[in-house]
Amino acid sequence: EDQVTQSPEALRLQEGESSSLNCSYTVSGLRGLFWYRQDPGKGPEFLFTLYSAGEEKEKERLKATLTKKESFLHITAPKPEDSATYLCAVQATGANSKLTFGKGITLSVRP
Amino acid sequence: KAGVTQTPRYLIKTRGQQVTLSCSPISGHRSVSWYQQTPGQGLQFLFEYFSETQRNKGNFPGRFSGRQFSNSRSEMNVSTLELGDSALYLCASSLQGAGEKLFFGSGTQLSVL
Repeated sequence: EDQVTQSPEALRLQEGESSSLNCSYTVSGLRGLFWYRQDPGKGPEFLFTLYSAGEEKEKERLKATLTKKESFLHITAPKPEDSATYLCAVQATGANSKLTFGKGITLSVRP
Repeated sequence: KAGVTQTPRYLIKTRGQQVTLSCSPISGHRSVSWYQQTPGQGLQFLFEYFSETQRNKGNFPGRFSGRQFSNSRSEMNVSTLELGDSALYLCASSLQGAGEKLFFGSGTQLSVL
C-alpha cells in the first residue's frame, strides 16, 4: 500500500528564515508526486508535480525536489503570506491509480 | 473560468440520517474525485468518477456512495450517518484524472451530532 509521511507536523519560522519541508514516500511505482497548499477554510491548491528522481521545480520562493524516497519543499526567505498547510501526495503507476496524501505540514511565518 | 463549486458549504445532521453533497466541476473537466479530510487522518480518497462511471474507489464502507451525471456534476451520499463521519468533504476535478493536477472546491463541512 502506498504511504506518505510528512515532517515536521508543524513549523514556525521568522520572516526571511529559510527552511525545508520533508515528504517521505513508499510506492510500488511512481507516476507522480504532487505538492499542494491549503489555506484555512479552503480546498488545496496545486503547486507542483514531480515525475522522476532528480527533477526540480520552482515557483517564487518555493522549490520542490525529488529523490527515489523523498521530496523536499524548500522555502526561501518566507513571508507571512506563505503561512498555510502544505500537502504532499503520490500517485502510483497503473490505470486509474488514486492519489495518496500525507497529513500535511502547517507552516506559520511570523513577521 | 468558474472554479469547482460545492454545495452546501456547511451541514449539520444527526446520527442515523443521510446526506447528499453536490459538486459542480470546472467546465470541460470530466473527472471528479471526492476526498474526506479530518484532523487525525488527513485527506483520504473516497472515489473517482469519469464520464458517469466510477473509475476508482477508496477504503470506505458502503454507506458512502456517489454518482456522476452526464454534465459531469457529481453527488456523494452518506447513509446512516455516524459521529465519525464529521469531516470536510472535498471535491476535485480535472480533465482526465490520472496524473493530472486537481482543482479542489472549498468543501462541505459536515457535522454529525
